[in-house]
Amino acid sequence: SYELTQPPSVSVSPGQTASITCSGDKLGDKYACWYQQKPGQSPVLVIYQDTKRPSGIPERFSGSNSGNTATLTISGTQAMDEADYHCQAWDSSTGVVFGGGTKLTVL
Amino acid sequence: QVQLVQSGAEVKKPGSSVKVSCKASGGTFSNYAISWVRQAPGQGLEWMGGIIPIFGTSNYAQKFQGRVTITADESRSTAYMELSSLRSEDTAMYYCARLYSSGASHAFEIWGQGTMVTVSS
Repeated sequence: SYELTQPPSVSVSPGQTASITCSGDKLGDKYACWYQQKPGQSPVLVIYQDTKRPSGIPERFSGSNSGNTATLTISGTQAMDEADYHCQAWDSSTGVVFGGGTKLTVL
Repeated sequence: QVQLVQSGAEVKKPGSSVKVSCKASGGTFSNYAISWVRQAPGQGLEWMGGIIPIFGTSNYAQKFQGRVTITADESRSTAYMELSSLRSEDTAMYYCARLYSSGASHAFEIWGQGTMVTVSS
């Protein structure tokens, strides 16, 4: 079955750029998306189709996907961005696949 | 704006079944795929399966094949997820989510508020 791997945690200082990676075999040949989840809340879609932002998502959130790695980038990170981030893709054999999630800490 | 409203928390005994509902309000229900995703305490998201109400066809993650049944009632704009043979490891928050698909891109654009299912003797 297809698997996606994320680092368990990432730390960033306020105002700096945070990068969260998601790795999978030939992930660049698929579309990746990203969800933000704050404690006690449902996930929120922040990036879909590798690079697109849904309405209402700040421009500081951006995405890329190439080779075996998709990356979520948060520019000018704010305290409110502290959350868990989950990547997701679709595999023709496995169906919907999620990464294990990354806890972003804004120090 | 479409909202997905789920049924309330459940406490179940091991070996029993649970059925969780997900009602869509404020928009079209039948044309969009609805999936169920669960999250054990402190863990990541796990896709269980989904349904396209207008077609009535369901597909399931291999891990849950034979133990989960996902259905939809178009007249009620409601999707259901039934999980049987419950065990303690099934204790989790269960979410329904509406899938946005564009070609090979599939992302969950709308999520329900979640239903906590606790399995305990």
